Amino acid sequence: AQSVTQLDSHVSVSEGTPVLLRCNYSSSYSPSLFWYVQHPNKGLQLLLKYTSAATLVKGINGFEAEFKKSETSFHLTKPSAHMSDAAEYFCVVSGVDYKLSFGAGTTVTVRA
Amino acid sequence: DTAVSQTPKYLVTQMGNDKSIKCEQNLGHDTMYWYKQDSKKFLKIMFSYNNKELIINETVPNRFSPKSPDKAHLNLHINSLELGDSAVYFCASSQVGTGGRETQYFGPGTRLLVL
Repeated sequence: AQSVTQLDSHVSVSEGTPVLLRCNYSSSYSPSLFWYVQHPNKGLQLLLKYTSAATLVKGINGFEAEFKKSETSFHLTKPSAHMSDAAEYFCVVSGVDYKLSFGAGTTVTVRA
Repeated sequence: DTAVSQTPKYLVTQMGNDKSIKCEQNLGHDTMYWYKQDSKKFLKIMFSYNNKELIINETVPNRFSPKSPDKAHLNLHINSLELGDSAVYFCASSQVGTGGRETQYFGPGTRLLVL
């Protein structure tokens, strides 16, 4: 079985400053990991995914995430936050049984 | 040219009614899913179909019945709606290869409110 823990339920940043969203995972095999974003009253959009290739994964809208096996982490970062980044972010792990296990989500607020 | 579409977008209904939510994908994927997002935004898988066959059936009341007429469609029928069924329901699809780890693409969601 696999699971993810998002360490922060809410992150507030100023526009133009870095964003860090933390995610730890648990998996009994080499996992596939994803970050999805959900804007208010919208569906889920894939930001990026890790599937055992490069450990530093670049996604859309300037986001990137680093897979660290030794720390079982997959933290999401962006160097400079924009107002449009205000949303809910989900860290997700995929298992061989087709199931996605979602973290509880991190709400990002961006201050002008 | 929406990849995964759901209808309706909003659904308000009375307790005890029966309702259906439709999902269609034009990505050519062979696997489709239904997820439920509760009021705390927690997402949990309900069902999955691969090539019209049920492959995942989580602990969901049997009032919920998925139906897949073909690979591109996965509909969700709910009988005798209860207040606790109020949630956002997301459809998703993927092309499953070895390991089953392919990316899932989500629809815009159906916001169900049971009064």
